[in-house]
Amino acid sequence: DAGVIQSPRHEVTEMGQEVTLRCKPISGHDYLFWYRQTMMRGLELLIYFNNNVPIDDSGMPEDRFSAKMPNASFSTLKIQPSEPRDSAVYFCASSHYGREGPDTQYFGPGTRLTVL
Amino acid sequence: LAKTTQPISMDSYEGQEVNITCSHNNIATNDYITWYQQFPSQGPRFIIQGYKTKVTNEVASLFIPADRKSSTLSLPRVSLSDTAVYYCLVGQGSNDYKLSFGAGTTVTVRA
Repeated sequence: DAGVIQSPRHEVTEMGQEVTLRCKPISGHDYLFWYRQTMMRGLELLIYFNNNVPIDDSGMPEDRFSAKMPNASFSTLKIQPSEPRDSAVYFCASSHYGREGPDTQYFGPGTRLTVL
Repeated sequence: LAKTTQPISMDSYEGQEVNITCSHNNIATNDYITWYQQFPSQGPRFIIQGYKTKVTNEVASLFIPADRKSSTLSLPRVSLSDTAVYYCLVGQGSNDYKLSFGAGTTVTVRA
């Protein structure tokens, strides 16, 4: 398996623009997670899905952030409008509960977002 | 939500054993303890997971005392390539889990 795939790997945009980050989880995994990592706040869970359904979005910072999972093989994280404080590395991870335990997540390489 | 506490950093030398302790005082009965490793510019990578006593794999060992309020990740004979940030994660619940990543421990291995 190719692992979790994220695109783009790098994104530079200007404040106010819409940003869409994409994730393809590992085939057969039924959990998908979106994280944000910054030096100041570390690794934060934003939202996670189980079988394409959002289970907990309490980590989403504000209404400018939204996430969707239209099918088992694709998810998006959208920021609209973007702000400089959104600059971070965004990770997507997937897991399959029960195979190796509830928290064995496989992370993608991340998308480094810079908002100017 | 089980909050975890880890040392911020640790230094070691090649060939030594590194032990990182994570505190999780309010861990619940059905929680697992998982450790991840992260290199710069990469996503975290699973190292080991356990529920109680001791777990060992080809990379590390995980020691969990009977009260499960802490756990210790042991890295035997570290090399320069083990320099990374190590996270302790406590999983809450079975199908609905609020994940708690620790702040991470930066382990620096010197020659």
